[in-house]
Amino acid sequence: DTEVTQTPKHLVMGMTNKKSLKCEQHMGHRAMYWYKQKAKKPPELMFVYSYEKLSINESVPSRFSPECPNSSLLNLHLHALQPEDSALYLCASSRVASGPETQYFGPGTRLLVL
Amino acid sequence: GESVGLHLPTLSVQEGDNSIINCAYSNSASDYFIWYKQESGKGPQFIIDIRSNMDKRQGQRVTVLLNKTVKHLSLQIAATQPGDSAVYFCAENIGDTGRRALTFGSGTRLQVQP
Repeated sequence: DTEVTQTPKHLVMGMTNKKSLKCEQHMGHRAMYWYKQKAKKPPELMFVYSYEKLSINESVPSRFSPECPNSSLLNLHLHALQPEDSALYLCASSRVASGPETQYFGPGTRLLVL
Repeated sequence: GESVGLHLPTLSVQEGDNSIINCAYSNSASDYFIWYKQESGKGPQFIIDIRSNMDKRQGQRVTVLLNKTVKHLSLQIAATQPGDSAVYFCAENIGDTGRRALTFGSGTRLQVQP
């Protein structure tokens, strides 16, 4: 089983709202990732968690706040977003964050900021 | 920074033909490559991978070729089917210690004509 699940599938929020995206995997993977994908563009890395610790933050604005409560869960807390933050947010996981490891992606959350 | 790029943004083939999708990379430190398929509204789906110590790897109807001399990667799909229609991304994994994140190419849209 190589399934990564994400909720919600779709999210519409205003610029003053606070919302959270959730990601879950039960493959025993110890590395989890958040990517942002704009229309007709490739995914761009936002954050990497390795063994529940944040290891990479790709200079993401503080209005995006990641959290890894345990090895199976990854959250992305959203606050005071801008319309240009509208995108598909993808979660991925891999066995570990070091070495050549395949990353498996979830279906994504399509976010619209009004 | 260095990036992974694709030669053709859109490839149109007839059902039953073979498809070849190309990708150029420029980072000689890349040691692991993955091809992903992304259908509309879905997350990237792993197709096949290859490590830099190999030059060819075969899967079911797919073959990945790696030419490290010219830093070129290709995905061959045999007997292309309508269900193969999607955007295909190559991704490179750079071997720097502690930084195992994927860098995606710009993507090629494959259109299969029935």
